[in-house]
Parts: sequence; structure tokens; C-alpha cells
Amino acid sequence: GQQLNQSPQSMFIQEGEDVSMNCTSSSIFNTWLWYKQDPGEGPVLLIALYKAGELTSNGRLTAQFGITRKDSFLNISASIPSDVGIYFCAGPRSYNTDKLIFGTGTRLQVFP
Amino acid sequence: SQTIHQWPATLVQPVGSPLSLECTVEGTSNPNLYWYRQAAGRGLQLLFYSVGIGQISSEVPQNLSASRPQDRQFILSSKKLLLSDSGFYLCAWSVQAGGRDEKLFFGSGTQLSVL
Repeated sequence: GQQLNQSPQSMFIQEGEDVSMNCTSSSIFNTWLWYKQDPGEGPVLLIALYKAGELTSNGRLTAQFGITRKDSFLNISASIPSDVGIYFCAGPRSYNTDKLIFGTGTRLQVFP
Repeated sequence: SQTIHQWPATLVQPVGSPLSLECTVEGTSNPNLYWYRQAAGRGLQLLFYSVGIGQISSEVPQNLSASRPQDRQFILSSKKLLLSDSGFYLCAWSVQAGGRDEKLFFGSGTQLSVL
């Protein structure tokens, strides 16, 4: 079945550094979503991508829909302490459905 | 604007006791509703989803059940909790449309500890 693998699993970085994480799948996705989960909270949608090659920004966050449709990337520039959390990629299981598959998550820690 | 409410925020229950978690959505009609579970440090597992009142689909066999008595109300239940039911439970909703709007919006979660 479809699976989403995220890497790295966790990151420990210094405040001000840039962050890159990715999400890969063995099958094609038509939509890529990136969520952030703060500790003890539900995930919040950061960015949605709908087209291969699409590059979308949300403040310091930039996400890209891979050309092969089997991957997506999220970059955070100039990290700050409130960037701490778990970042999940997600995509619908098949076209025209909103039942999402979630990636394994990337846990980000930012040190001042 | 749409909001989703989930309660309680935390719950400690003994093994064998019943469970009822409630979720309501405001500001939208006929949403798709979902229950997810997240084990500590793990990803999100879809438990149930509903496309309408009384319509429940189960994703995995388990000790839990779900009900949707009203359009914007989704309830997660158990008659007898197991230790393995511990986890972080998340309710979510999405716009019910055949188009592209697959985005899920999550509640703030319920941390359930079964002791």
C-alpha cells in the first residue's frame, strides 16, 4: 500500500539555522500537505501543494511538490524556538479522496 | 469561520472502564469527520471516518466504536478500555466535496491514559 517516509526522523539545530526535510513515497501523489504539530496539540496545516514542480511559501516556510510526484520537501529558513514540533507530510490515498496518509514525522528541536 | 472542539483535553481511566470522547464542529455543514490516534512519538493512525449522520467507517479492528448522532458531532466510545487504548486522540474535519479540498483540520486532541 501507499506509504510516506520522512527524513530525517529528528533534527537538533541552533536558532537561526535553516532546516530541510523531505517526504518520499513509492507511489504517485496528486496532493502534498505539510502539517506542524506543537506538543500536546493537534496538527495544523502549513502548506498545500497541488501541482508537480509547485513551490509554495508561507512566511519562512517553503515547500515543493517533487517533479516525479513521489516526493515533497519542506524548508524552514532562519529557525526560531517556536518552530519546535513535529512536521508531518500527508497526501490523499488516491485521487479524489480526503482520507489522508500521514508520514512518519520529523521532530524538530531548536536550541537558542 | 469554522472551529472544532474536542474534549476532554486529558483523561485518566482504569482498565475496563467505559470511554466517551466528544467532538463538535462549528461554522460548516455536512463535514467529513475523522478520529485519529497517535501513539507516543508516532504518526497518525486513522480509526474512523464519517461522511454523514449515522454513517461510520472503521479503518482498523479495535476495541473502540464511533457514532455521529448529529451532523457536526462525532463521538468515540469504548465499553471496556484496554491498556493499549492509551494514546493521543484527535478529531478532524474536512469539507465534503469531490474536488481538491482534501485538507484536514484537527482538534486540539485528548490525551488518554489507561491505567
